[in-house]
Amino acid sequence: DAGITQSPRYKITETGRQVTLMCHQTWSHSYMFWYRQDLGHGLRLIYYSAAADITDKGEVPDGYVVSRSKTENFPLTLESATRSQTSVYFCASTRGADYNEQFFGPGTRLTVL
Amino acid sequence: AQKITQTQPGMFVQEKEAVTLDCTYDTSDPSYGLFWYKQPSSGEMIFLIYQGSYDQQNATEGRYSLNFQKARKSANLVISASQLGDSAMYFCAMREPGFQKLVFGTGTRLLVSP
Repeated sequence: DAGITQSPRYKITETGRQVTLMCHQTWSHSYMFWYRQDLGHGLRLIYYSAAADITDKGEVPDGYVVSRSKTENFPLTLESATRSQTSVYFCASTRGADYNEQFFGPGTRLTVL
Repeated sequence: AQKITQTQPGMFVQEKEAVTLDCTYDTSDPSYGLFWYKQPSSGEMIFLIYQGSYDQQNATEGRYSLNFQKARKSANLVISASQLGDSAMYFCAMREPGFQKLVFGTGTRLLVSP
């Protein structure tokens, strides 16, 4: 039972480079989310998806792009990485309405130099 | 806009004692959900407990209970009989009605001493 996985777990990149963070879940959950965690801010929602091919912006979407062609995958792309995007990124999923728990992946620690 | 406030950046408690972590929220919607998550030093987010706005009773899960005071808009987490393994960051979060996305507080770091 793999659950929800993220790759890579650690990534160092340079300013201006494109980076894609992968998220995969094995439960066929409808909803998937990307959060970033920064000191003093808790977790903030970047993008979310209610189903395949349905995505919407969260609180801090600028500089990020998402896609969801398959239910189980929800990649997050930083089109041109900036130092302010250095953060820990969490992917999460939930079955949908009337289900209370969001399941989180292990996180990806991204450093932009 | 919905908001979650955790005013305690850090808390200390001795092993076997109870501790309360504060959380207040702000919303104009009558239907919402409140969550607590634990984040140990290893980094993963662990779901602890959930309270629905229409739930009559306070939620409990083992040593965790949620002290829900709707009129005060507070949803404090109570950990009874603290253990060393309870040392972690704790986040309060609220779910917007009609959506599944969560709004998080800034967290409280709990240290449990022997």
